[in-house]
Amino acid sequence: DGGITQSPKYLFRKEGQNVTLSCEQNLNHDAMYWYRQDPGQGLRLIYYSQIVNDFQKGDIAEGYSVSREKKESFPLTVTSAQKNPTAFYLCASRLGQGGSYEQYFGPGTRLTVT
Amino acid sequence: AQSVAQPEDQVNVAEGNPLTVKCTYSVSGNPYLFWYVQYPNRGLQFLLKYITGDNLVKGSYGFEAEFNKSQTSFHLKKPSALVSDSALYFCAVRDNNAGNMLTFGGGTRLMVKP
Repeated sequence: DGGITQSPKYLFRKEGQNVTLSCEQNLNHDAMYWYRQDPGQGLRLIYYSQIVNDFQKGDIAEGYSVSREKKESFPLTVTSAQKNPTAFYLCASRLGQGGSYEQYFGPGTRLTVT
Repeated sequence: AQSVAQPEDQVNVAEGNPLTVKCTYSVSGNPYLFWYVQYPNRGLQFLLKYITGDNLVKGSYGFEAEFNKSQTSFHLKKPSALVSDSALYFCAVRDNNAGNMLTFGGGTRLMVKP
């Protein structure tokens, strides 16, 4: 997990509220990713960013939004439009051009919406 | 489109015995393959990767993986399992056509019993 921090570890929200999950990395990585993990399932890509001020939708972007104003930060907002937001959210980063292709993950944020 | 299959939801092995966690893939072009491990309520930790070269790849914690092009497989192995190896294991393949995305398998839970 070293080098990528996610906060908070556990987050509780009422239905209808937007919530923002933090992801910060000090690895000087260019690319950053957000995944969602549900029990018994693999990871699904929500959004990714390969460079500052640019990001792309992943497979399940509906109901989520992101920003990439700084290289080290890639916050994810779970909006009230997300139908089933309760899940474990994982942020990852990768070095970028010329680097290896593996992604490095943060410790995750478990979001519970009631 | 690329895909990864992990045919076993769970693998049970006795401590000290060899273990194998299976992964098959489908990808256009050369495969870039990865294994990750996840402990409860934690992020994913990178174990090893195959990019090119020897078919037997060695990684962290005594794990290794065997790349088999004809069978499109990349099985994870360890000669002697430890109870502490019990975790969720994910295989992933790089999407050669879309921004270095990783597609993950559904995960295999490894249970090592004393």
